[in-house]
Amino acid sequence: DAKTTQPPSMDCAEGRAANLPCNHSTISGNEYVYWYRQIHSQGPQYIIHGLKNNETNEMASLIITEDRKSSTLILPHATLRDTAVYYCTAGGTSYGKLTFGQGTILTVHP
Amino acid sequence: DTGVSQNPRHKITKRGQNVTFRCDPISEHNRLYWYRQTLGQGPEFLTYFQNEAQLEKSRLLSDRFSAERPKGSFSTLEIQRTEQGDSAMYLCASSFGGGVLEQYFGPGTRLTVT
Repeated sequence: DAKTTQPPSMDCAEGRAANLPCNHSTISGNEYVYWYRQIHSQGPQYIIHGLKNNETNEMASLIITEDRKSSTLILPHATLRDTAVYYCTAGGTSYGKLTFGQGTILTVHP
Repeated sequence: DTGVSQNPRHKITKRGQNVTFRCDPISEHNRLYWYRQTLGQGPEFLTYFQNEAQLEKSRLLSDRFSAERPKGSFSTLEIQRTEQGDSAMYLCASSFGGGVLEQYFGPGTRLTVT
C-alpha cells in the first residue's frame, strides 16, 4: 500500500473552502486515492475516491495531480459540522484493507 | 437506516477475561473488515472476510484474537485473556466487493480493560 502524508492540523473559517492536501508519492498505477473523515466518537465516513481524474460529489471535490503523487480534498463551503479528522489513503480494488495514517484534524471556526 | 451496526457499543472488562463483539454489515455487502483504533491514531487493519472466507489477517491479530463470519452475514471478534493493551475502539466496516473499495464503517465498540 502506498504511504500517505498529511499535515497534522488545519483551520478554516466557516463558509470558506477547506483545502486538505495529501502526499502519496509512492502510489502505484492501479491504486485509488480515498478520503474518509471521522467525527469524534464515530466510525470513519467515506467521502470520495479517485484514480486519475478529478472527482466531485455532493460532499467534496478531489483534485489529483497529473503525476498522481499528491491530491487535495476540497470542501467548498465548510461548516462547523465539517470539523473532523480527515484521512487520505490509497489502495487497489483487489486489496482488502485500507491503511490509515494519523490524518489531518480540520477545525472549522465560526 | 440499515448501516453497519456493532454491539455492544461499550465494554469494560477485567484483565484476563474473554470478550466477544458482534458486527452486522450492510445486508448486500459481501466484504467485512475489522479495524482497531487507539487514541490519536488512525484505524489499523486487523482482518477481512469475503463472504465467509477470512482472506487476510494482520500481524496485529495475535493468537488471542479470533474472528468468524460463519454464514457470510454477521461477524464476531473474540479476544481471549484480555490485556490492558487491548483497550481500544474496535471498528467494523463492510463493502460490496468486486469494485472500488468504499468501506462503510459502524460506530465501533469501545473496549476498556481494567
